[in-house]
Amino acid sequence: EAQVTQNPRYLITVTGKKLTVTCSQNMNHEYMSWYRQDPGLGLRQIYYSMNVEVTDKGDVPEGYKVSRKEKRNFPLILESPSPNQTSLYFCASSLVGGGEKLFFGSGTQLSVL
Amino acid sequence: LAKTTQPISMDSYEGQEVNITCSHNNIATNDYITWYQQFPSQGPRFIIQGYKTKVTNEVASLFIPADRKSSTLSLPRVSLSDTAVYYCLVGDHTGGFKTIFGAGTRLFVKA
Repeated sequence: EAQVTQNPRYLITVTGKKLTVTCSQNMNHEYMSWYRQDPGLGLRQIYYSMNVEVTDKGDVPEGYKVSRKEKRNFPLILESPSPNQTSLYFCASSLVGGGEKLFFGSGTQLSVL
Repeated sequence: LAKTTQPISMDSYEGQEVNITCSHNNIATNDYITWYQQFPSQGPRFIIQGYKTKVTNEVASLFIPADRKSSTLSLPRVSLSDTAVYYCLVGDHTGGFKTIFGAGTRLFVKA
């Protein structure tokens, strides 16, 4: 089944403790992206990747890192999480670019205490 | 990248047709228009995509006027399960790698 898999589904952590949210897709998509969603703000793009080893900033990249060493995986790294990064995070992928049909993961609800 | 504007919320009743309009005045020649549906705590789900005129699939229709500065998502005979947030997104298939979703339209379907 074609899908985007995120893990974990829920995560509670403390300020400053490094964490990684994983994202994997099985559709051989070139494009992958991370979004965060906060009440009343819709989806805001954090980082995106057009292909292996090619990443770029979205609208809200501060405090986040990403890597794209393999085509299928696009982990989101929070080196030193802060409470303002408490949010619902979504990973997505598409065949080529952002204008293509995006497939989303189920989301990761992160709470930073 | 073209910015989109949608109504914040809409109410409807079961069985009615719902039309949600999205404004995208700065749409570029190569941009497509895509609509997504999102239920609470779930990832957005693709509904429909179009470039011009009218596109129809099993769940919705998308109307795009000749100037392409707006588009209308039409949901025929909505049910309670269509209560969700609907996002309009504009981007091309080659260079539009940055995606801007906006706040979306919250549709509430009443019995």
